[in-house]
Amino acid sequence: AQSVAQPEDQVNVAEGNPLTVKCTYSVSGNPYLFWYVQYPNRGLQFLLKYITGDNLVKGSYGFEAEFNKSQTSFHLKKPSALVSDSALYFCAVREGGNNRLAFGKGNQVVVIP
Amino acid sequence: GAVVSQHPSRVICKSGTSVKIECRSLDFQATTMFWYRQFPKQSLMLMATSNEGSKATYEQGVEKDKFLINHASLTLSTLTVTSAHPEDSSFYICSAQPTPSSYNEQFFGPGTRLTVL
Repeated sequence: AQSVAQPEDQVNVAEGNPLTVKCTYSVSGNPYLFWYVQYPNRGLQFLLKYITGDNLVKGSYGFEAEFNKSQTSFHLKKPSALVSDSALYFCAVREGGNNRLAFGKGNQVVVIP
Repeated sequence: GAVVSQHPSRVICKSGTSVKIECRSLDFQATTMFWYRQFPKQSLMLMATSNEGSKATYEQGVEKDKFLINHASLTLSTLTVTSAHPEDSSFYICSAQPTPSSYNEQFFGPGTRLTVL
C-alpha cells in the first residue's frame, strides 16, 4: 500500500527566506504525487502535482516541487516565503491504477515576519 | 473550474440526533466522491469511497451503519452521521473525482465542522 512521510511537524522560516517542506513516499508502482495546503477551518487547496515528465513541477502561489525517484522524495519549495504562506501543508501519493490518496501527517509552516 | 461545495459549513447538534452533510461538484460530474475525517492538527483519514449508483466502500474500522453515504447523482453525495455522539465531533471533508479523469485527480470541498453536544 502507498504511504507518505512528512518528517517534520513544524517548519519555521523568516519572511523572504527560502521555504522547504519535506516529503518522502512509498509505492509499489509509478507514483502520482500531490501537494495541498490547508488554512484553518478550510478544505484542502491544490498546489501542484507530479504525474510524469519533468522532475521539477511548478504550481500555484510560486510553489514548486522536485520529484526525485532515487530518493523517493517530493519536497515542496518556495524561493521567498510570505507571511500568508503560514498554513498546514499535506503531501499525498496515489499509485497508478488506484484512486485512493494516501496523505502524510501534514506540516505546519510558520512564516515569521 | 473544478469547484466542490459542502453544506453546511458548520453544524452543532445534540447527542442522539442525525446530521446530513452534502457534497456537490458544481461544474463537473463525479462518478466517485470520497469522504474524509480530520481531527485537530492531524491528517485526513479516508472514511469511504462513494460511487454514483452503487454502495459506498468503507475503510476498515468505519461503521457503515453509523456513517450512511448516498451518491444518488453525478454531482451530489451525502454523508449522514446517525445517532451522533460527542466522539463524532470532527471536521468532515469530501472530495470529488471528475468523470472522465486521466489521473484521477480529486478536488476538495471546504469541509464541515460537526460539533455534537
